[in-house]
Amino acid sequence: DTAVSQTPKYLVTQMGNDKSIKCEQNLGHDTMYWYKQDSKKFLKIMFSYNNKELIINETVPNRFSPKSPDKAHLNLHINSLELGDSAVYFCASSQADRGGYTFGSGTRLTVV
Amino acid sequence: GQNIDQPTEMTATEGAIVQINCTYQTSGFNGLFWYQQHAGEAPTFLSYNVLDGLEEKGRFSSFLSRSKGYSYLLLKELQMKDSASYLCAVRGPNAGKSTFGDGTTLTVKP
Repeated sequence: DTAVSQTPKYLVTQMGNDKSIKCEQNLGHDTMYWYKQDSKKFLKIMFSYNNKELIINETVPNRFSPKSPDKAHLNLHINSLELGDSAVYFCASSQADRGGYTFGSGTRLTVV
Repeated sequence: GQNIDQPTEMTATEGAIVQINCTYQTSGFNGLFWYQQHAGEAPTFLSYNVLDGLEEKGRFSSFLSRSKGYSYLLLKELQMKDSASYLCAVRGPNAGKSTFGDGTTLTVKP
């Protein structure tokens, strides 16, 4: 019954690998986001999709590629992982211009 | 862009009242949000202000003054479980995007 679910919860991988994080929401929201929270707990937006269309693409290395097959799903693929990519990645959804975000439980990515 | 300031840390006593301030400078404003984040967990939505004034929700209240670029979150009858990080976030004009402050870590002591 989870509103925003993302998998996996933990991800430990070696430098240079490629990995994906999946996110799904069952709230009927039309906008989904990826945020990165670093070790200093600062939450920074990476991407936003509205009805499968990319509307926000912050200054993120092009090794990060989001994909939204439909408005309930937003996945994040990361190529050639680097040590600095270690962080917690949160998926969130909202009804575009009203209401707050509902966050997923987060994916703790550790690159070794 | 957005610039959001809030204190890094605060400490308060169980049963007391605490006010967490947030100031912002923004090129466009479409609402201010407060979120609570316990250690190791996801942020959860607490409150939303888009018009000036006070919004009350149980033990939590949030105030907004758009002309001053200022908000506060008021927590009453503090409980130990209120120990968490409190994040102020401002939604700009760009399709729902919210910019977050660095968060205020609140410690509630017995």
